[in-house]
Amino acid sequence: GESVGLHLPTLSVQEGDNSIINCAYSNSASDYFIWYKQESGKGPQFIIDIRSNMDKRQGQRVTVLLNKTVKHLSLQIAATQPGDSAVYFCAEWYSSASKIIFGSGTRLSIRP
Amino acid sequence: DTEVTQTPKHLVMGMTNKKSLKCEQHMGHRAMYWYKQKAKKPPELMFVYSYEKLSINESVPSRFSPECPNSSLLNLHLHALQPEDSALYLCASSRDPGSRGELFFGEGSRLTVL
Repeated sequence: GESVGLHLPTLSVQEGDNSIINCAYSNSASDYFIWYKQESGKGPQFIIDIRSNMDKRQGQRVTVLLNKTVKHLSLQIAATQPGDSAVYFCAEWYSSASKIIFGSGTRLSIRP
Repeated sequence: DTEVTQTPKHLVMGMTNKKSLKCEQHMGHRAMYWYKQKAKKPPELMFVYSYEKLSINESVPSRFSPECPNSSLLNLHLHALQPEDSALYLCASSRDPGSRGELFFGEGSRLTVL
């Protein structure tokens, strides 16, 4: 869905299907791109990162893709489970400033 | 121990009050962070401490005053806050300031300013 005002973009996925969460970034100076998961009532949790000179990195059930040409980052979750329900944030790491800046979030909801 | 512990979990304060938020980690991490998060928004960086020294202040109003008494503790002192400062305040730590973005977050302190 579209982000309008205070509403988070939401992705609704059938349990067992694959999920793809997208993020657009604007700053080409980032050294790493990171995905965080934030469950209700909790702080964000690191999922996976990718160095800016790579285009793909795989973890356990997750894959991050980086397309620097169009400044696009995606997180793919295989075989989505109820425990994957959360808000997912992309973030950028700037080594020159030693800081992490979070981008917009997407709420992932799982249909049984 | 891979936890970042924040206290209190909830805090309600008036605009004339002085209060503090506390954060503790025992992972031996040398970088600690304060983020502010409003509802349905991403966390916004406020302060970074590297090796117990303030390294980044993201132009935060002086009514927020951070303190790092030692490598395990991080405080955020609050004074004369405004209702718009109501938010979830998140503390995080990383192994060192160059840890590529792997932050360990606490569950946050939810602050309400009346």
